Amino acid sequence: ELKVEQNPLFLSMQEGKNYTIYCNYSTTSDRLYWYRQDPGKSLESLFVLLSNGAVKQEGRLMASLDTKARLSTLHITAAVHDLSATYFCAVDVSMNSGGSNYKLTFGKGTLLTVNP
Amino acid sequence: DAGVTQSPTHLIKTRGQQVTLRCSPISGHKSVSWYQQVLGQGPQFIFQYYEKEERGRGNFPDRFSARQFPNYSSELNVNALLLGDSALYLCASSLVRVATGELFFGEGSRLTVL
Repeated sequence: ELKVEQNPLFLSMQEGKNYTIYCNYSTTSDRLYWYRQDPGKSLESLFVLLSNGAVKQEGRLMASLDTKARLSTLHITAAVHDLSATYFCAVDVSMNSGGSNYKLTFGKGTLLTVNP
Repeated sequence: DAGVTQSPTHLIKTRGQQVTLRCSPISGHKSVSWYQQVLGQGPQFIFQYYEKEERGRGNFPDRFSARQFPNYSSELNVNALLLGDSALYLCASSLVRVATGELFFGEGSRLTVL
């Protein structure tokens, strides 16, 4: 069964600092997603990574995918308080041998707190 | 344009009762998926429906069932509720059944079982 592991699960950082969240997964997949969730809210799509070597950036966040290493990273540059949230990575996995139906398997999430 | 809408937003039930949660996908989206998110965990896949047919089911007991209607809206039913069913239930829609793009999530239905 697919395992998706995020590291760290809890991250407390100061404003202005840089840090990276890691997402490892245990089976072959070319599609990985990053979501943000604020307390009591739903999931907001941040990045869709669809191929090996994909890199996407939005503001202070940059995500990358290495399908050979089965690793994705979410890099935070010069953190600000507004980035405080829980970040999830999710891997797209086929549910059937024909490869036509998929489900997302999520990691446990990384709770990010950015302190002034 | 309206996003994915879910109802009710909050509800409280007692053990043994039954609950029905509703979801309307984004206009034009034909695939609906349901996820359960227990506090402090990532969402877990329950069902996917496409063109009114079940296309996938996660590791949940038969107490969980769902259906999709001709207008692509969906209902999730949970019978014989247990305390452990307390969670945020998320509905997500996408254009096609193959998730090569984004899943768009609704705000969720928060179920508390007492």
